[in-house]
Amino acid sequence: AQSVTQLDSQVPVFEEAPVELRCNYSSSVSVYLFWYVQYPNQGLQLLLKYLSGSTLVKGINGFEAEFNKSQTSFHLRKPSVHISDTAEYFCAVSEGNAGNMLTFGGGTRLMVKP
Amino acid sequence: NAGVTQTPKFQVLKTGQSMTLQCAQDMNHEYMSWYRQDPGMGLRLIHYSVGAGITDQGEVPNGYNVSRSTTEDFPLRLLSAAPSQTSVYFCASSQRLRRFSYEQYFGPGTRLTVT
Repeated sequence: AQSVTQLDSQVPVFEEAPVELRCNYSSSVSVYLFWYVQYPNQGLQLLLKYLSGSTLVKGINGFEAEFNKSQTSFHLRKPSVHISDTAEYFCAVSEGNAGNMLTFGGGTRLMVKP
Repeated sequence: NAGVTQTPKFQVLKTGQSMTLQCAQDMNHEYMSWYRQDPGMGLRLIHYSVGAGITDQGEVPNGYNVSRSTTEDFPLRLLSAAPSQTSVYFCASSQRLRRFSYEQYFGPGTRLTVT
């Protein structure tokens, strides 16, 4: 069975600094990878997804992520964060022929400070 | 196009009470799911449906029932609420991207407290 680990529960960072949110997964079959963002008291919004092809995926709001199959990782990065990026970020995986079922990591709270 | 809607937004129940969380989507998606969100645990799948009349259990199905009589609606029933069911509940519907991959669209959530 697949599992997803987000290594940092909270990441504080100053505005305009770069940030990386880490995600590792375990799976024995091919996977599809997603990052979602949740702003306070809202639902989840898709940031980006990896299905196949180029391992560097670009998403909305200037975020990007790189799929590393050998390290089973899908880390999320942004070169310069804004106060408005303060939110909780979730990494999620679906695998094989169960693509409609997502397994989520525990989430990382990104706190951008002025 | 409202996307995925959920009602109510907030609910307080006493232990042993029953209730139904409503979920509707207007995107004609076949797949719909219910998740619960608890601090530090991300979202966990409760039940899902692959089409009208077809449902199956997810990771944490105990204490919950679902049915899918139409493509649009996927209600979640709590038969006898317990404090352990205090959580935020999200409904999602899925659009197929390619053969085995889907993109999920989430509703705004229902915050449930069981006392």
